[in-house]
Amino acid sequence: GAGVSQTPSNKVTEKGKYVELRCDPISGHTALYWYRQSLGQGPEFLIYFQGTGAADDSGLPNDRFFAVRPEGSVSTLKIQRTERGDSAVYLCASSLTGVPHTEAFFGQGTRLTVV
Amino acid sequence: SQQGEEDPQALSIQGGENATMNCSYKTSINNLQWYRQNSGRGLVHLILIRSNEREKHSGRLRVTLDTSKKSSSLLITASRAADTASYFCATADDSNYQLIWGAGTKLIIKP
Repeated sequence: GAGVSQTPSNKVTEKGKYVELRCDPISGHTALYWYRQSLGQGPEFLIYFQGTGAADDSGLPNDRFFAVRPEGSVSTLKIQRTERGDSAVYLCASSLTGVPHTEAFFGQGTRLTVV
Repeated sequence: SQQGEEDPQALSIQGGENATMNCSYKTSINNLQWYRQNSGRGLVHLILIRSNEREKHSGRLRVTLDTSKKSSSLLITASRAADTASYFCATADDSNYQLIWGAGTKLIIKP
């Protein structure tokens, strides 16, 4: 597609529920990133994919968070047993190769609210 | 963890004036990037400056980088209402592929 697409744009869920957030990167971009942004803060790194594999998942806060990219394109961020502290905007970005060498293109984000 | 710190946290100026934002960081970098964010959603890449570059221009934007001071500045000349947004600096290094972000500068352009 023309840009990075994230769905849904907004998600409200009850505490304890499971949610999936989807990211469709720019066609041909091998690198894909998930970030989380709380109000008034800069984005916080969660996970980086190079192709199908998670090259760096050091930012995932705990084992309730998991992400996949099975065919090296679309990625899904999965959050189990959601907590109110998980409320944030979840941003996905893609780049042609990897961040140190190229710019990252961001989607509009998914605003997750856990009530 | 956040590496960059933007200064000021908020800036309000008249349209037509120049806006300058500063960013400081802590570790060695491969490059530093500036992004704009409207209404707390999508981030738009503005400019990337590599560690061996000192200054870069793009339209009304001018970015400087001083690696000895671990700092960068973003200058927006002849500001317009459409420049109202939050501006973030982000650094990338050679040891990993994540961008490390500051907390941003909120810029308001008064008509």
